[in-house]
Amino acid sequence: GAVVSQHPSWVICKSGTSVKIECRSLDFQATTMFWYRQFPKQSLMLMATSNEGSKATYEQGVEKDKFLINHASLTLSTLTVTSAHPEDSSFYICSARDRTAAYNSPLHFGNGTRLTVT
Amino acid sequence: EDKVVQSPLSLVVHEGDTVTLNCSYEVTNFRSLLWYKQEKKAPTFLFMLTSSGIEKKSGRLSSILDKKELFSILNITATQTGDSAVYLCGSTGNQFYFGTGTSLTVIP
Repeated sequence: GAVVSQHPSWVICKSGTSVKIECRSLDFQATTMFWYRQFPKQSLMLMATSNEGSKATYEQGVEKDKFLINHASLTLSTLTVTSAHPEDSSFYICSARDRTAAYNSPLHFGNGTRLTVT
Repeated sequence: EDKVVQSPLSLVVHEGDTVTLNCSYEVTNFRSLLWYKQEKKAPTFLFMLTSSGIEKKSGRLSSILDKKELFSILNITATQTGDSAVYLCGSTGNQFYFGTGTSLTVIP
């Protein structure tokens, strides 16, 4: 089945540094990938939609200069948390849809990246 | 290998029917079992289950967890066309693990 790989699975960084998270579709191509953040009540908040070859679309309230998204190829999107602060500590999750699948077909999720900012 | 498996993969029912969606899991350091309704881009949170045998209910939806047998079910009674969606089961342990989802179609 379709697999989405996220890397790293967990990372600890110091306040003020930047962290890059990768999201790869391993056996399919995705023109669109989504980035989410998990909040304490276990709901997933959509942060942005990553579009291959063009700028990402950010949801309201998400700082695009802080959460840099690059979708350089049909199988890779990256999320960079810049100048991280402790309040950025969270689970970050990506998902992708096979570009050949129907618009309402299931998304494939990565396993998430647990970011801890000290 | 940690995994979450959902069944059936797809389901077509008529309005008013009751449906049961299944989710089994094998997750290291299991913490919780989550159900989401996938709508547009962001899944809508439905339930979080951590204890066996305690049913959680919200309107026509209910869910229960069996930690001994490692599975959960999501029930939807008196289905409506608005219930048509992909229902995701996920589990938290060392990481997040999602199933492939069950695609539910409710026909008027």
